[in-house]
Amino acid sequence: EMQLVESGGGLVQPGGSLRLSCAASGFNFVNYWMTWVRQAPGKGLEWVANIDQDGSEEYYVGSVKGRFTISRDNAKELLYLQMNSLRADDTATYYCARINNPPNTWSNRFDAFDVWGPGTVVSVSS
Amino acid sequence: QSVLTQPPSASGAPGQRVTISCSGGSSNVGNRRVNWYQKLPGTAPKLLIFTNDQRPSGVPYRFSASKSGTSASLAISGLQSEDEADYYCAAWDDRLNNWVFGGGTKLTVL
Repeated sequence: EMQLVESGGGLVQPGGSLRLSCAASGFNFVNYWMTWVRQAPGKGLEWVANIDQDGSEEYYVGSVKGRFTISRDNAKELLYLQMNSLRADDTATYYCARINNPPNTWSNRFDAFDVWGPGTVVSVSS
Repeated sequence: QSVLTQPPSASGAPGQRVTISCSGGSSNVGNRRVNWYQKLPGTAPKLLIFTNDQRPSGVPYRFSASKSGTSASLAISGLQSEDEADYYCAAWDDRLNNWVFGGGTKLTVL
């Protein structure tokens, strides 16, 4: 069964840092672009960042550029989101997702988000 | 203010057909594929439609979608109580160089 599970969320003060992790299983992780999407309380979905198969290509939403870094460890099948200089408006549930148009076995950055994790909650507050 | 515009709410009685619109521009919907997601409270989003009108395996035929120019729409026929959820459209935006979501439409089954 294809599965993604996020971890690393929690309560952090403004200006602080957190690193989120996303463990993949049940599919060939190295073949797919991966992404982070967040949802603030009472708000809609917001895309955060994308990374390609070997970590050489990254894209970010403007509000997190220079503060967040997406990365991956293909040997461990882990996706990361390093979040620095956190602000109150970063408070959200963060989801990792696989980028793919099913049932393909290789993806590009324009494909859909077809497998999602349950999310991890990040709260930024003093 | 979302780049893609969706109505904030929609509703229909069980068995009825409801449509949800998604309006964008030439840098996103007009030139890129549109995907649709279903979001139930407290659960992860679920891919409902990809590449404008394609259903992943397991998504009921009741869900369909189309795209024309800079607008897209999701249709749900034979409405069921379990369809009550938030629905989001999404597309890559060439001008922003990132993914953009619609603001979401809350579907109520009366």
